Formats: sequence, C-alpha cells, structure tokens
Amino acid sequence: EAGVAQSPRYKIIEKRQSVAFWCNPISGHATLYWYQQILGQGPKLLIQFQNNGVVDDSQLPKDRFSAERLKGVDSTLKIQPAKLEDSAVYLCASSLAYNTEAFFGQGTRLTVV
Amino acid sequence: DQQVKQNSPSLSVQEGRISILNCDYTNSMFDYFLWYKKYPAEGPTFLISISSIKDKNEDGRFTVFLNKSAKHLSLHIVPSQPGDFAVYFCAASGGFGNEKLTFGTGTRLTIIP
Repeated sequence: EAGVAQSPRYKIIEKRQSVAFWCNPISGHATLYWYQQILGQGPKLLIQFQNNGVVDDSQLPKDRFSAERLKGVDSTLKIQPAKLEDSAVYLCASSLAYNTEAFFGQGTRLTVV
Repeated sequence: DQQVKQNSPSLSVQEGRISILNCDYTNSMFDYFLWYKKYPAEGPTFLISISSIKDKNEDGRFTVFLNKSAKHLSLHIVPSQPGDFAVYFCAASGGFGNEKLTFGTGTRLTIIP
C-alpha cells in the first residue's frame, strides 16, 4: 500500500515570497490533515479536511495560509507571503475515519530567509 | 494551552531494559490516544493506540497504559533495542468538534549499549 506522498521535500525561500506544498493521501482515506512542526515542538494542526470539506481550520493563519483539497483526494497548502517564523516542517497526514490512526508523509522542510 | 504534555524531553535507557515514556493530558473529552515514533528527516510513524474504554493495549514489545482518573498514559518498551532511538510523541483526540490529533512536545529516547 502506497503511503502519503508529499512534495517538495525541501524548500528555501526569501521572506515575503510565496510557496506551495502538495500532498497525496493514502487511497480511500477520507480525512486529510496538514500539520506544522517547529523545531523542538510537537506537530500543530493547521487544517483538517473530511473529503473536500474543511472540518477544522481554527489554527490556520488565514491572512497568509490557504489550503484546498481537490475533489476530496490530493491537497495543496500555500503560504503567501512567507514570514521568517514560518520556517518549519509541514506534515501531511491521512486517516480512514475519525478516531483511527493517522499516517504521515515525510514532510516538507521549509526555510524562510 | 498545552492539552497534551510530555514533561520529559529526553530519556536514556540501557539496551535490554524497559523504557517508560509518560504523557499527561488535561482535556477530559479526549477518548483516543496514540503514540508515534519519529526519526530525523521522516514523518511520524504510528506505533500503538488505545481507546478510553480500555486501560491497556499491547503490541509486541510495546504496551500502552491509560489511567483515565489521573489523565495519564504511558508507553512501555520491553526490551529496549538500539533501533528504538527516536523521538516519541503522544497524541490524543476525541469529543465533538475535536477530532483532530493534539500532540505533545515529544520525548527523545536514547538507548545506551
């Protein structure tokens, strides 16, 4: 079974530039999550999709971050414009349903300089 | 507001002995708990989970214990092996409107030969 695919693995951009990350979840998984993990901290949920609808985006900085899940399958997360404090690993995860384990991709390490 | 806490940032255990990783939570609505293992430059990998209707779940060398009255869970690894060297995250979910996984800050486990 293929895992959660994310790209790119690494990205370096200057502040105020924009960046986009892509995620393809495990086939059949209805729930998709984007997490931000800052060095030394646990992953923090940015947004959760159930199929192509948003379930929770309470911690998404909506003035600069946006996300969509096309046709309830793959998803993109965009940051525009980026700030220095956005430097982190962005993790995508998917799960079959509520209260089941989430499977994570390898993440995208973003460095904003 | 840290709803899931891992108060030990690091733990060193001799190879072959038992590793005990601890996690505390504050939200009494949480009803599903998970442990993830994370190697550098990889996404978290699901290890083991437990539902609030149980107080113990076992899978090979890994056992998770849940004490609901104390809002505490622990992960026991017996025997500890060199490949267990990683960061371990505790996560919890549950309750209406709280299906997302909330993570602790992690505990780095070092295995001493």
